[in-house]
Amino acid sequence: AQSVTQLDSHVSVSEGTPVLLRCNYSSSYSPSLFWYVQHPNKGLQLLLKYTSAATLVKGINGFEAEFKKSETSFHLTKPSAHMSDAAEYFCVARRGKLVFGAGTILRVKS
Amino acid sequence: GAVVSQHPSWVICKSGTSVKIECRSLDFQATTMFWYRQFPKQSLMLMATSNEGSKATYEQGVEKDKFLINHASLTLSTLTVTSAHPEDSSFYICSATGLHYEQYFGPGTRLTVT
Repeated sequence: AQSVTQLDSHVSVSEGTPVLLRCNYSSSYSPSLFWYVQHPNKGLQLLLKYTSAATLVKGINGFEAEFKKSETSFHLTKPSAHMSDAAEYFCVARRGKLVFGAGTILRVKS
Repeated sequence: GAVVSQHPSWVICKSGTSVKIECRSLDFQATTMFWYRQFPKQSLMLMATSNEGSKATYEQGVEKDKFLINHASLTLSTLTVTSAHPEDSSFYICSATGLHYEQYFGPGTRLTVT
């Protein structure tokens, strides 16, 4: 069975500092992987996706993620956090259906 | 980009009544739509997969008679919560599959049953 583990339920950073949101997936084969962001009472917005092309994927709003098969990881990073980045982030795998991680709430301090 | 809308964005209803939520793909045709439920501070839970012109496929533990799904056209799927109870209060999100099998999510509908 496929599962997605987001290692941190909450992450707090200061504005202007780097962001790292960790995600590991469990699968016998490389799935398609996504990161979505959800602002309060809003739907999900796709940040980026990995579909077995380049292992370093660039997304919107300065986010990027690196697929590491040896570590079964797909961590999301951003060099410099902005206040508007405060939201909940979901790591998602797809093999037919979407499988969601539990989510990581990112807090950005001024 | 592809846009998915939901209506209403929020609804309050009395216990025992039924509520219909619409999900529309605005600028593309979606043969498959998905309905999710999200409890506060939790992740999304897939409820059912809706295919145009056929019966929805429900996930294990989801009552098909309580959550009626109709996918009447390539741009519209509806979820009806029948005989709603307070425990049905939740955030319901739909998504639609685009041309390249990407899923585009609607903004969600917050249902409160009093």
